[in-house]
Amino acid sequence: SQQGEEDPQALSIQEGENATMNCSYKTSINNLQWYRQNSGRGLVHLILIRSNEREKHSGRLRVTLDTSKKSSSLLITASRAADTASYFCATAGGSNYKLTFGKGTLLTVNP
Amino acid sequence: DGGITQSPKYLFRKEGQNVTLSCEQNLNHDAMYWYRQDPGQGLRLIYYSQIVNDFQKGDIAEGYSVSREKKESFPLTVTSAQKNPTAFYLCASGTGSHEGEAFFGQGTRLTVV
Repeated sequence: SQQGEEDPQALSIQEGENATMNCSYKTSINNLQWYRQNSGRGLVHLILIRSNEREKHSGRLRVTLDTSKKSSSLLITASRAADTASYFCATAGGSNYKLTFGKGTLLTVNP
Repeated sequence: DGGITQSPKYLFRKEGQNVTLSCEQNLNHDAMYWYRQDPGQGLRLIYYSQIVNDFQKGDIAEGYSVSREKKESFPLTVTSAQKNPTAFYLCASGTGSHEGEAFFGQGTRLTVV
C-alpha cells in the first residue's frame, strides 16, 4: 500500500502566486522527501526533511513536517510556468530502506 | 557523467512473452528500486534491493522478477504472469541509508500489443 497521500490531486494557479501541496502518511518515518516529475520523465529530488526537523527551506521551496499529525506540506513561492509538473511526497522508515510514494499533485501554473 | 540509465525508452511486448527492462547506475549506490506508474496511481514499488545478491518484494511484486548480480545493475523481468503490464516503469538508486535521496532514470514505457 502507498504510504503517502497528496492533497489536492490537482492545483491550477497563476504565475506569481504561491502553491501549497499537502502530504499525509500512516506510519512512523525516518524522513520525508518531495520529488518533482515532468510529464513522461523520471522524478527529480527536491528536498528532504528528517523526522526531527519541523521546517526546511531551499530556494523558493518551503517544507514543513508535523510528525504528530503525520503530515507535511510543500510551499512553492512566486510560482513560474516552468514549475508546472507533478509533485510527489515519499517516505522512508523502518530498518529497511523502503521508499514509498504517494499519488502526487499535478500543479499547473498559468502564464 | 554519473547517473542512472534505463533502456529501452519504449518497449512493445506481445501477450504471453517475457520482457526484461534494463537499469544501470554508475553512482556507486547500494540501493536500487523498481516502480510502476499508471495514470492517477502514482508510483507503486515492485522490488527493491539494498545490496548485491539481495532483494525484497515491494507492494506489487506478482508477475515480476529481478536479479542483483552486480552493484551497478538491477534488471526487471515482466513475466507472462503479469496480467496488465502496460505501464511506465521507473528505476531508481540511492545510498541505502535513511539520509539519502533517490536518483531516477528516465523510465521505460511498456506497451502490450
